Amino acid sequence: EMQLLESGGGLVQRGGSLRLSCEASGFTFSKFAMTWVRQAPGKGLEWVASIIGTDGTTYYSDSVKGRFTISRDNSKNTLFLEMHSLRAEDTAVYYCAKGNSLARYYYMEVWGKGTTVTVSS
Amino acid sequence: DIQMTQSPSTLSASVGDRVTIPCRASQSISRWLAWYQQKRGRAPKLLIYQASKLEDGVPSRFSGSGSGTEFTLTITSLQRDDFATYYCQQYADYPYTFGQGTELEMK
Repeated sequence: EMQLLESGGGLVQRGGSLRLSCEASGFTFSKFAMTWVRQAPGKGLEWVASIIGTDGTTYYSDSVKGRFTISRDNSKNTLFLEMHSLRAEDTAVYYCAKGNSLARYYYMEVWGKGTTVTVSS
Repeated sequence: DIQMTQSPSTLSASVGDRVTIPCRASQSISRWLAWYQQKRGRAPKLLIYQASKLEDGVPSRFSGSGSGTEFTLTITSLQRDDFATYYCQQYADYPYTFGQGTELEMK
């Protein structure tokens, strides 16, 4: 069974940093694009970042570009999201999701349960 | 950026009803559209991809249609378990974007 397990969320002060992890199991991690999606309290889903291709090409939303870095360690089946200069508006549940392929455009077929990030002002 | 619009934000229906949830893209996305179901406090779940393809394990009462800029998620014979929020999402171009969501509530 394909599974994703996020960790690393917590309470952090405005301007602080946090590193989220997403451990994958049940599939060949290196063969699929991966994504971070977040959901602020009471709000809808917001795509944050994707990592695709054999070369690990990355894409970011404008709201996090320059502050967040998505990366992966295929030897450990783990996806990361390094977050810096955190703002109150980054407060959200962060989900990692598995793409259906390594290609540039893909849909998200498996989702983790999420980890909560709270940025205090 | 491609804007995805879902309206209404809330839809009231009863068990057994046939429900259609619309989604509009601000420019053509061909058929690069997915539908997700999210229940309160839970992660989203993929229902439909490529506008009309049913994900494995999803009940056949769910179906998707459309292409270009107009899309629809249809649920025939609504079940109690289907009351949730539904999001459309385009994956035709970056940044990926979601609709605001349509909450299906019990009438």
